Amino acid sequence: KNEVEQSPQNLTAQEGEFITINCSYSVGISALHWLQQHPGGGIVSLFMLSSGKKKHGRLIATINIQEKHSSLHITASHPRDSAVYICAVGSARQLTFGSGTQLTVLP
Amino acid sequence: DAGVIQSPRHEVTEMGQEVTLRCKPISGHNSLFWYRQTMMRGLELLIYFNNNVPIDDSGMPEDRFSAKMPNASFSTLKIQPSEPRDSAVYFCASSLDRSNEQFFGPGTRLTVL
Repeated sequence: KNEVEQSPQNLTAQEGEFITINCSYSVGISALHWLQQHPGGGIVSLFMLSSGKKKHGRLIATINIQEKHSSLHITASHPRDSAVYICAVGSARQLTFGSGTQLTVLP
Repeated sequence: DAGVIQSPRHEVTEMGQEVTLRCKPISGHNSLFWYRQTMMRGLELLIYFNNNVPIDDSGMPEDRFSAKMPNASFSTLKIQPSEPRDSAVYFCASSLDRSNEQFFGPGTRLTVL
């Protein structure tokens, strides 16, 4: 079993839809990261959180430490949100990545 | 700030050749990370430095890989000798501290023929 599992692997949505991407992990962590990788390959850090919820524009990230689960939500999705979203969990000495969720938002 | 700078952006080399990838972190950041991304294995942490000192290199695949950080503004990842299975995109990232948000460079796409 992978230490970090994301679901779904692929997601296609219509513009305007509310999107949820999930991340479950099995190891103890100090922080969880959500990354966005654009079609051109560049990686942007969206959130780093260790508890509760963070919001940035149309993006919301939540984490439940007890359940070892995090979600990334996108409200009012737009075609420019199309990208791969990667969850990564960090412990004291290691950062482990999920396999990513490929999101396609259609106009 | 220009962000994290990596060079070269693309490298094509032949098996057995030495390859050196370079990274300039964001000024003031004291943690630097090297990652490798492949289709098969996704993103993997290779090594990270804190205050120019290698803290954890357990992700370095084998002795052919080595990384250095001679000063706070420069790091190298060297592969010698290179092999076709080393073909991947190598990302460098930096952060203000180990537990802070990381800023990624544009990556170096390495192809070993």
